[in-house]
Amino acid sequence: GESVGLHLPTLSVQEGDNSIINCAYSNSASDYFIWYKQESGKGPQFIIDIRSNMDKRQGQRVTVLLNKTVKHLSLQIAATQPGDSAVYFCAEGGGFKTIFGAGTRLFVKA
Amino acid sequence: DAGVIQSPRHEVTEMGQEVTLRCKPISGHNSLFWYRQTMMRGLELLIYFNNNVPIDDSGMPEDRFSAKMPNASFSTLKIQPSEPRDSAVYFCASSLGGVVKGFQETQYFGPGTRLLVL
Repeated sequence: GESVGLHLPTLSVQEGDNSIINCAYSNSASDYFIWYKQESGKGPQFIIDIRSNMDKRQGQRVTVLLNKTVKHLSLQIAATQPGDSAVYFCAEGGGFKTIFGAGTRLFVKA
Repeated sequence: DAGVIQSPRHEVTEMGQEVTLRCKPISGHNSLFWYRQTMMRGLELLIYFNNNVPIDDSGMPEDRFSAKMPNASFSTLKIQPSEPRDSAVYFCASSLGGVVKGFQETQYFGPGTRLLVL
């Protein structure tokens, strides 16, 4: 996905609920996808990745789903915690170049 | 490991001045990336080094921007002369090998340098 400008989509969830952050990517030839988390004042931090030959991958409290048919990626966070509040970026990679999406701001209500 | 180190963390300068941003990648990493992040354009790749050699600088905005990597543990991004539209957060990232079997290695980002050009 290309960066789209000023206003980040925002997702607001209650602490303890599950969060689902969605991302559409543009290049059907992309073979590697990554989710990054960026907290205020910090650089993006790797969360989880998935190769194009997979449709699901699980980590600790996070799951990434890949639907190549519709070029859609999602990040599911189980039992969302206040520390999960951040901007989440999906990124697509092929070769050395990573293309970052615009990001989604996750706000966790205590 | 200390992670990717960037300096300075904040820089305020006047239009026309030279700005030099510095980066120390994670020891043992062979690839280094410079990114710029703004609200308008998001996160943009400026330049990519592999084994200290610039591989792709197509993201460098204009000739006012230059980057060097004299050795495996140090890189600079220079803006001369700086302009107000260069105001952004500049990130340096490094990865272990760049591209392995067609897939990209995970990039580790530094804390960024917040640049304000008045």
